[in-house]
Amino acid sequence: SQTIHQWPATLVQPVGSPLSLECTVEGTSNPNLYWYRQAAGRGLQLLFYSVGIGQISSEVPQNLSASRPQDRQFILSSKKLLLSDSGFYLCAWSLSYEQYFGPGTRLTVT
Amino acid sequence: EDQVTQSPEALRLQEGESSSLNCSYTVSGLRGLFWYRQDPGKGPEFLFTLYSAGEEKEKERLKATLTKKESFLHITAPKPEDSATYLCAVLSTNDYKLSFGAGTTVTVRA
Repeated sequence: SQTIHQWPATLVQPVGSPLSLECTVEGTSNPNLYWYRQAAGRGLQLLFYSVGIGQISSEVPQNLSASRPQDRQFILSSKKLLLSDSGFYLCAWSLSYEQYFGPGTRLTVT
Repeated sequence: EDQVTQSPEALRLQEGESSSLNCSYTVSGLRGLFWYRQDPGKGPEFLFTLYSAGEEKEKERLKATLTKKESFLHITAPKPEDSATYLCAVLSTNDYKLSFGAGTTVTVRA
C-alpha cells in the first residue's frame, strides 16, 4: 500500500530564515505530487504541482519554490520566510484523479 | 474559474441526529467531485469520488450524492467520532488541479 510522509511535523522559524520541507511517497511509482497550503478557516491553496522529476509547475507567485530531485521526493523551500508564510503545509500524491494527502507540517513564522 | 461553496460552515449535531452537508459547484465540465474528511491538525482523508449526476457512494454512516449543480454528504445517525471538517473539491475537464471548498466543521455531541 502507498504511504506518504512529511517532515518535520511542526516548525517555528524567524522571519528571514530559510525553509525546507520534505515529502516522500512509498509504494508507488511516477506519482503526480502536489504542495498545498491551508490557512486557518480557509480552503486548500495549491502551491506547486509536479508530474515528474525536475518538472515543477507553480500556481502562486511568491517567495516559495519546489523541487523534485527523485521520483517520490518533493521538497518545498524558501530562502527568506515572511510572516505570511505561516500555515499548514500539505503534500499530496495521485496516479489518477484522486489525491491522497500527507500528515502535514505546521509552520509558524515569528 | 471553478468555484466550490460549502454550507453550512459549521454544524452541531446530537448523537444519532442525521443531517446533510451541501457542496455547490460551478465548473465548465465536471471530471469528478471529491469528498474528504479532515481531523484537526491532520491531512485530509479521501472519502469518495463522484463522476456523474445521479451517482451515489456510501461508507459506513456517510452517503454522498451528486446532481449537476451540487453534492450532498448525508450523515446518518452520527457518532462523536464523525466529528471532523468535511471538504469538497471538484476537478474540471480542462484542468489538472482540484478546487476546494472551505469545508463544513461537524461536531457530534454524545
